[in-house]
Amino acid sequence: GENVEQHPSTLSVQEGDSAVIKCTYSDSASNYFPWYKQELGKRPQLIIDIRSNVGEKKDQRIAVTLNKTAKHFSLHITETQPEDSAVYFCAASSPSGTYKYIFGTGTRLKVLA
Amino acid sequence: ETGVTQSPTHLIKTRGQQVTLRCSSQSGHNTVSWYQQALGQGPQFIFQYYREEENGRGNFPPRFSGLQFPNYSSELNVNALELDDSALYLCASSLNTGELFFGEGSRLTVL
Repeated sequence: GENVEQHPSTLSVQEGDSAVIKCTYSDSASNYFPWYKQELGKRPQLIIDIRSNVGEKKDQRIAVTLNKTAKHFSLHITETQPEDSAVYFCAASSPSGTYKYIFGTGTRLKVLA
Repeated sequence: ETGVTQSPTHLIKTRGQQVTLRCSSQSGHNTVSWYQQALGQGPQFIFQYYREEENGRGNFPPRFSGLQFPNYSSELNVNALELDDSALYLCASSLNTGELFFGEGSRLTVL
């Protein structure tokens, strides 16, 4: 069935260092891969997304890479800041439904000052 | 422009009871999706409504049902509540870009 695996489950980095979160999806027909940030007690918010016709996308300190052949995609955060501390979820679109997304289990990122 | 709003924010029910959760979509968004987020897990797709019709459903039993109204607001109904239904229920609206705009969620506790 459709599945998205995400790791690591927790990640601690020093302020200013980089953080990388990796996800693997199962359905080769998935074509849209968003990343959401969820702060404690808050709603998930989209931070970056990538479509299957693109290999990499960057927005300031955040970048996402996609390897369709290997069916994995990664989130890269450079120059981390304390406000980057949150839970990050990757997701993959399900070919069986518009805006039906399969989410990973989340990565709790802690940026240590 | 108002965002997605959900009510109630918190509620406690007992096993076997029924619950209705409500969602107002972001202005102009005609698609509403509902997700269940158990503690420490990612959101799981329940179903989606487009122009008042269900047009996608995840692996949830029929006791999870929903509605969408002409103003695109939506309800999620859960009958015969079970302990495992305790979770944060997220409503998300979308238009055509693929981006989901989530509400703050309704936290349901089943005792």
